[in-house]
Amino acid sequence: GAGVSQTPSNKVTEKGKYVELRCDPISGHTALYWYRQSLGQGPEFLIYFQGTGAADDSGLPNDRFFAVRPEGSVSTLKIQRTERGDSAVYLCASSLKPRNWVGENGTEAFFGQGTRLTVV
Amino acid sequence: SQQGEEDPQALSIQEGENATMNCSYKTSINNLQWYRQNSGRGLVHLILIRSNEREKHSGRLRVTLDTSKKSSSLLITASRAADTASYFCATARQKLVFGQGTRLTINP
Repeated sequence: GAGVSQTPSNKVTEKGKYVELRCDPISGHTALYWYRQSLGQGPEFLIYFQGTGAADDSGLPNDRFFAVRPEGSVSTLKIQRTERGDSAVYLCASSLKPRNWVGENGTEAFFGQGTRLTVV
Repeated sequence: SQQGEEDPQALSIQEGENATMNCSYKTSINNLQWYRQNSGRGLVHLILIRSNEREKHSGRLRVTLDTSKKSSSLLITASRAADTASYFCATARQKLVFGQGTRLTINP
């Protein structure tokens, strides 16, 4: 596709339910990021994939959060036993990023429009 | 946790004036990037400055980087109403980490 696609754009779920958020990165982008953004705040890093593997998952807040990228393309962020505090916009980004950001080319990240998750 | 801190948190100026936003960070970086966000959804990359660069220009944007002070600034010259948005700096080393942002309002 032309850009990063995230589905659904909005998701309302009841407290305690399980949700999956999907991200389709730009074709050929090896790096994929998930961020969470609350109103008036900056994007908070959750997890970063280089290819199929999670290169850094230090931002996942607890073990209710899990993300996969089985074929190195589409990624799914999974949240179990959702809580009201999980309500936020979840942003996905992809890039060609070389390891450790060395080099000029392909280091910018392209963002999707996000999924607004509301836990009621 | 956030790496960068933007200053000011909010800025309101008249159309045609210049807008300056600052970013401070804590750890060493490979590059620093600035992004823009409208209406709280997707972010758009504006400009990247590498750790060995001190200044960079792109159109009406000018970015400076002082690695000794761990700070960067974004200057938007001749502002337009369409520049109204939130602006974030992001530091890049092992991952891309964003600051809290500056909400810029350009009054016509």
